[in-house]
Amino acid sequence: GEDVEQSLFLSVREGDSSVINCTYTDSSSTYLYWYKQEPGAGLQLLTYIFSNMDMKQDQRLTVLLNKKDKHLSLRIADTQTGDSAIYFCAESRDGGSQGNLIFGKGTKLSVKP
Amino acid sequence: DARVTQTPRHKVTEMGQEVTMRCQPILGHNTVFWYRQTMMQGLELLAYFRNRAPLDDSGMPKDRFSAEMPDATLATLKIQPSEPRDSAVYFCASKSAPLQETQYFGPGTRLLVL
Repeated sequence: GEDVEQSLFLSVREGDSSVINCTYTDSSSTYLYWYKQEPGAGLQLLTYIFSNMDMKQDQRLTVLLNKKDKHLSLRIADTQTGDSAIYFCAESRDGGSQGNLIFGKGTKLSVKP
Repeated sequence: DARVTQTPRHKVTEMGQEVTMRCQPILGHNTVFWYRQTMMQGLELLAYFRNRAPLDDSGMPKDRFSAEMPDATLATLKIQPSEPRDSAVYFCASKSAPLQETQYFGPGTRLLVL
């Protein structure tokens, strides 16, 4: 298909790890991104990974990239209630030359105390 | 703290009325995007500009939507006439030239057309 796909919902308990998965479509995508959207707000860049990497870690966030399967994941360690939000995966489908991003529909993460 | 700003934050209007949404990109960013977010369709790219020139507006209904950048500090999105199906949150985003730079989003304009 042509869509960036994500599961729509994920529910975890506070303190557990969250893993949000995404499949993308363009093998030539240069960068892949994770954005976070809190209620009533715009999208905020969380992290991104360059396509020649297979892992990137930034504090509680770990991004894994499997280029063969076109699979991207975001792991949030020690998930907190403040992490409750919608998380969007995005790919730079045109190779990033124009900065045009294709977004998934977002995964709503609910964190239970 | 440089941010993308959008006005108005909320707009309620009646079907048939003109709606104008405004965006001020981050100073120095040369690429500006307009997105529409709905529950059903998710985030859709409507149009984007580089150095004030439109690069792609294929995502935008041409008969009623128009997007312009009168100058480097202002982008506008107009709907005329508006319809109930236009109800959505409209986001503006901007980025600078380097390939690795990503987009920075504004807070959005929440539009309700009655």
